[in-house]
Amino acid sequence: DIQMTQSPSSLSASVGDRVTITCQASQDIGNYLNWYQQKPGKAPKLLIYDASNLETGVPSRFSGSGSGTDFTFTISSLQPEDIATYYCQHYDNLPYTFGQGTNLEIK
Amino acid sequence: QVQLQESGPGLVKPSETLSLTCTVSGGSISSYYWSWIRQPPGKGLKWIGYIYYTGTTNYNPSLKSRVTISVDSSKNQFSLNLSSVTAADTAVYYCARHSSETTWFDPWGQGTLVTVSS
Repeated sequence: DIQMTQSPSSLSASVGDRVTITCQASQDIGNYLNWYQQKPGKAPKLLIYDASNLETGVPSRFSGSGSGTDFTFTISSLQPEDIATYYCQHYDNLPYTFGQGTNLEIK
Repeated sequence: QVQLQESGPGLVKPSETLSLTCTVSGGSISSYYWSWIRQPPGKGLKWIGYIYYTGTTNYNPSLKSRVTISVDSSKNQFSLNLSSVTAADTAVYYCARHSSETTWFDPWGQGTLVTVSS
């Protein structure tokens, strides 16, 4: 299985801050990486697909980059409604695996 | 707009079989892949397996010996059976759609909590 390692596991930031989360794959996955947002008690929501493509309707303050084994997810200006846990997920081969999640809090 | 809804017992006894159904509304089950994903309380996400509308399946090797996923196109539903459950199978179970084997999960159902306990 491909291991997906996210960092940090938790993050505290202020409204308006730029927030960056990284995801490292244990082998080359090209751009086969997605980012999801999960709010408490809710299902995950797709934000970014193919490493850098913004899902329709998702605010432009969210972005993704990277390829191969190293990927980055960025919120350019943190908003109160962005409080959630964020997960990366690869789909290069089976089984699909997720990162362990990054819990984002407001400072 | 496609919506998914999980249903099934919220409590299952150890050693028994967990059975859940995902009902697809607002669209056809045809031409898509349909996955089950679970999340133990306070933990991360784990893909369980998928079924293509034709009935082709693929399972996570870590669960393969206990998992069966089936589809009923006439009802626009697909189902998960997980046998010989233990407390470690306690989780929120989600169903989700994907358009091919190599793509993203979207949309997801709201999830259903299944607790394994006597």
